Amino acid sequence: QKEVEQNSGPLSVPEGAIASLNCTYSDRVSQSFFWYRQYSGKSPELIMSIYSNGDKEDGRFTAQLNKASQYVSLLIRDSQPSDSATYLCAVATGTYKYIFGTGTRLKVLA
Amino acid sequence: SAVISQKPSRDICQRGTSLTIQCQVDSQVTMMFWYRQQPGQSLTLIATANQGSEATYESGFVIDKFPISRPNLTFSTLTVSNMSPEDSSIYLCSVEEDEGVYGYTFGSGTRLTVV
Repeated sequence: QKEVEQNSGPLSVPEGAIASLNCTYSDRVSQSFFWYRQYSGKSPELIMSIYSNGDKEDGRFTAQLNKASQYVSLLIRDSQPSDSATYLCAVATGTYKYIFGTGTRLKVLA
Repeated sequence: SAVISQKPSRDICQRGTSLTIQCQVDSQVTMMFWYRQQPGQSLTLIATANQGSEATYESGFVIDKFPISRPNLTFSTLTVSNMSPEDSSIYLCSVEEDEGVYGYTFGSGTRLTVV
C-alpha cells in the first residue's frame, strides 16, 4: 500500500515566522512531488512542484526533497495570516497516479 | 493553467436519489480525473475519463455507482447513483497540466450532503 504521511496539525506559527511542513512517502520510485494549499471550503491549489533532490524556491515558498530519506518538505517564510490553510502533499507514483496526504492544517497567528 | 468550472457547487440530496456533477474545462484535455474528498480525509481518485472510451475506475469504485460521461475534450460528468449518507463528500474534477509536469488543476468542487 503506497502511502503519503503528514502530521495533521494544527501547526501554529506567529506572523512573520517560518512555517515548516513535512511529508514522508513510501514508494521509492516516486519521481514527482507537489504541494497544494486548500483553504476551508475551497478546492486544492497547486503551489509548488519538485522533482530533484535539494531545494526549490518560489517567492516565500521553498520545497525540499530528499529521495534517500523519502521525505519532502515545504517552508513558508514570513508567514502571513492569509497562509492559514491546509497544505496537502502529493506524490506521483506512476502515469496520472497521485497519492495525496491528509494534509497539515497551518494557522498563522496575527 | 486550465480553468475548470464545476457545478453544482453544493447540493443536499435525499438518499436513494442520484446527482450528476458537470465539469467544463476552458481548453481541450486528453484526460480528466474525478476525485472524492471525504471529511477529514485525503483526496481519493475515483476514475479517469478519456474522451471516446470507457472511464477507468480505481479499486473500490464501480461504474454502476459512479457512471461517468466524456462526450468531448472539454467536458465530463460524474453521476453519484443511489446515494446514501456515506456518499456525503466533496467531489472534484481535475486535469493534469502539461502531462504531469505541473501537477493537477482542480475544479471548484461539489459539496454533496446526503440526508
